[in-house]
Amino acid sequence: GAVVSQHPSWVICKSGTSVKIECRSLDFQATTMFWYRQFPKQSLMLMATSNEGSKATYEQGVEKDKFLINHASLTLSTLTVTSAHPEDSSFYICSASKASPRDTQYFGPGTRLTVL
Amino acid sequence: AQSVTQLGSHVSVSEGALVLLRCNYSSSVPPYLFWYVQYPNQGLQLLLKYTSAATLVKGINGFEAEFKKSETSFHLTKPSAHMSDAAEYFCAVLGGTSYGKLTFGQGTILTVHP
Repeated sequence: GAVVSQHPSWVICKSGTSVKIECRSLDFQATTMFWYRQFPKQSLMLMATSNEGSKATYEQGVEKDKFLINHASLTLSTLTVTSAHPEDSSFYICSASKASPRDTQYFGPGTRLTVL
Repeated sequence: AQSVTQLGSHVSVSEGALVLLRCNYSSSVPPYLFWYVQYPNQGLQLLLKYTSAATLVKGINGFEAEFKKSETSFHLTKPSAHMSDAAEYFCAVLGGTSYGKLTFGQGTILTVHP
């Protein structure tokens, strides 16, 4: 068990539009979900941490008004990139942990966002 | 604060040879340490983790890692490389904060030659 899915796997959008990415834990309830961003040939950088039913905790330098996170249930978190610009193009990966935030994180397959 | 340094952004081995990927960490609290593997355009798959139990940790696909506190290291090894091991490997440390922030190293790309 411990499967995490993301949808869509890739998306291309025009500059100025908003894009929503879904992250689902398929076979477990996720106490905490995490959103990471990975630029080409670079490591993962944590953007924010979300717990079901509460506001997300954003890392320093991440614009909370631009990257909206909703964690509506124990199996679903969404990341909305608002008014996307080309510099937002990246690989977005979510992860989920079961029992507590310090539990092992299980990663989704990622979403490739390209903003034209 | 936590940090991770992976020595060598690229490692190349022959099929059947020993794989050694180096990871050193810095942590202000007893760390939890992880190795993940990432194939192109995919998410991360957990290889193994250290959570303060046995210092030698065995993972999937024949990989293992040894936690050495005196050296602040958590190197990943595999006795015999397989072509399917070619991927990017990330070492990560989980710090002492309650919300469980993972700090990743820069990654090591492993190439396996036939």
